[in-house]
Amino acid sequence: GAVVSQHPSRVICKSGTSVKIECRSLDFQATTMFWYRQFPKQSLMLMATSNEGSKATYEQGVEKDKFLINHASLTLSTLTVTSAHPEDSSFYICSARDYPDTQYFGPGTRLTVL
Amino acid sequence: AQKVTQAQTEISVVEKEDVTLDCVYETRDTTYYLFWYKQPPSGELVFLIRRNSFDEQNEISGRYSWNFQKSTSSFNFTITASQVVDSAVYFCALSFMDTGRRALTFGSGTRLQVQP
Repeated sequence: GAVVSQHPSRVICKSGTSVKIECRSLDFQATTMFWYRQFPKQSLMLMATSNEGSKATYEQGVEKDKFLINHASLTLSTLTVTSAHPEDSSFYICSARDYPDTQYFGPGTRLTVL
Repeated sequence: AQKVTQAQTEISVVEKEDVTLDCVYETRDTTYYLFWYKQPPSGELVFLIRRNSFDEQNEISGRYSWNFQKSTSSFNFTITASQVVDSAVYFCALSFMDTGRRALTFGSGTRLQVQP
């Protein structure tokens, strides 16, 4: 089956620093990847849609300047949380869309901002 | 607007019992996909099934079966002879077939606890 990796799996950082999370589709090419955020015991909330070679589409209420997304190739999308604060602590999950239309998810990144 | 409702927040069963997880969706579109994902304690979402809106055939895969009924906008998931390893949060999700709206809309999830 399709495999999506995500790195790092856990990161702890100090308030004010930036954190980059990588999402890779390992055995297929993905023109579209998605970034979700999940709070404890809650469902997944879509943050943005990442399209290879173009700007990401952000959901309402998601700050573009805080959550920078880059989809530089057909197998890699990155999410950078800039100037992280404790309220950004969360579980971030990416997915990559395979043909014809199934999203496969990465293992997630648990971000803790102190 | 689309919406997915999983009314059962948490279900607890004893091993070997059958359990059905309910999923009801709302959409005005006639073409869409429905999905079920499993999220074990490790956190990774595992794809279980995709069904398109044209295909109302029920599906069985081992101990898992899915019942898609367009008339009631439901896509229920049954685990037969449950096992402890089935303990997880299960999400039902909806997406659309047109290029601009491929993101998934998730239900709130149902936490399944299978006791030995």
